[in-house]
Amino acid sequence: DSGVTQTPKHLITATGQRVTLRCSPRSGDLSVYWYQQSLDQGLQFLIQYYNGEERAKGNILERFSAQQFPDLHSELNLSSLELGDSALYFCASAEGSGTTKTGELFFGEGSRLTVL
Amino acid sequence: AQSVTQLGSHVSVSEGALVLLRCNYSSSVPPYLFWYVQYPNQGLQLLLKYTSAATLVKGINGFEAEFKKSETSFHLTKPSAHMSDAAEYFCAVKGGTGGSYIPTFGRGTSLIVHP
Repeated sequence: DSGVTQTPKHLITATGQRVTLRCSPRSGDLSVYWYQQSLDQGLQFLIQYYNGEERAKGNILERFSAQQFPDLHSELNLSSLELGDSALYFCASAEGSGTTKTGELFFGEGSRLTVL
Repeated sequence: AQSVTQLGSHVSVSEGALVLLRCNYSSSVPPYLFWYVQYPNQGLQLLLKYTSAATLVKGINGFEAEFKKSETSFHLTKPSAHMSDAAEYFCAVKGGTGGSYIPTFGRGTSLIVHP
């Protein structure tokens, strides 16, 4: 158990809909990362938050947004969903600012999104 | 941009045989390198990492990896495969050319272990 909690574990929805994925980092970790894992793209970095502020942005679509709340949990919002958004979405947390190059990430079990 | 290449999307071995999973990075400046494992229906967890202290790195579950700057490689090995090693393995890189602290992951290699 990594200590990172993600909900829901599975989500099935229709095209055009909006969903929210939730992540609680390990106790004490201030940094949260979101990754998308799909068969054709592999593991793609979406966005990172540190202590409530956006720190780094990756290949995140404009239809997607995220935030980190004062209690440090984070939410990833996916809107106007398309079939191609079907994937496994991982949240990970890291110690401190998460900017040390030697630090590891601690991953949740992921939220599997299926768009029909 | 920093990148890693994992040769072979699937590797199949017999139980008790040597495991070799390949990873090559693209940076001219030695980066920090990681191997993560993903068991079915679970998140990724760290197996081992190279942070320039020693070129041969030992990890959990009997795995080890050797950093070879001349070959820009960080291959993962285990002398004797066990059925429980069947999983997806990811090589990741941080730092190096460009200096990003955001880990970039390879496409993953699925390890299949036959009885």
